[in-house]
Amino acid sequence: IQLTQSPSSLSASVGDRVIITCRASQGISNYVAWYQQKPGKAPNLLISATSTLQGGVPSRFSGSGSGTDFTLTISSLQPEDFATYYCQQFHASPPTFGPGTKVDVK
Amino acid sequence: QELLVQSGAEVKRPGASVQVSCQASGYKFTLYGISWLRQAPGQGLEWMGWISGYNGNSDTAQEFAGRLSLTTDTSTSTAYMEMRSLTFDDTAVYYCARDRPIVAGTGSDPFNLWGQGTPVVVSS
Repeated sequence: IQLTQSPSSLSASVGDRVIITCRASQGISNYVAWYQQKPGKAPNLLISATSTLQGGVPSRFSGSGSGTDFTLTISSLQPEDFATYYCQQFHASPPTFGPGTKVDVK
Repeated sequence: QELLVQSGAEVKRPGASVQVSCQASGYKFTLYGISWLRQAPGQGLEWMGWISGYNGNSDTAQEFAGRLSLTTDTSTSTAYMEMRSLTFDDTAVYYCARDRPIVAGTGSDPFNLWGQGTPVVVSS
């Protein structure tokens, strides 16, 4: 299952609302996860099953969607949120990832 | 505290093999699977394979069939990844990550625990 993400990169300011989309090549129900990765670090799971926020993840992060189209929303971007974000499907093996969306400072 | 701690960076010649270890602590190793993933420089994440911490059953992505071996040592709660016949394209950071609980059956879950990553450079 192929995943595409848009945009591939975006420039934003602190306080901005950021929306990242992920599209799957076939229906994957709600089996989507979102990760945040900072340079030199392992990815960090933010959201599982489309919209389930992981413990310790700020509530400004949210996820939605179903079927083939999914979104990650950051309601008010904070300085620590500048990073690359990946979606992942775990509906079918092999698990696959989107190419990533880099969020940097405007 | 749940942790996965990986072995250190490696530099290998083309055609060589590399082994990366991943030691789990803070949770019962035999209750979960471990997946291995890699990330080439500036690129995205690629799943390589999975191994059961319970009985050593494994599944490997077709791309790596024949040159990837996954093993475990339950006495030390350690998973091992060995890749043979390395090429320049295998230069990447290799990660282990905790996968689905064994009792949940086949399939994969989001990866909520990761090792710190092991850089592997293939260079002549």
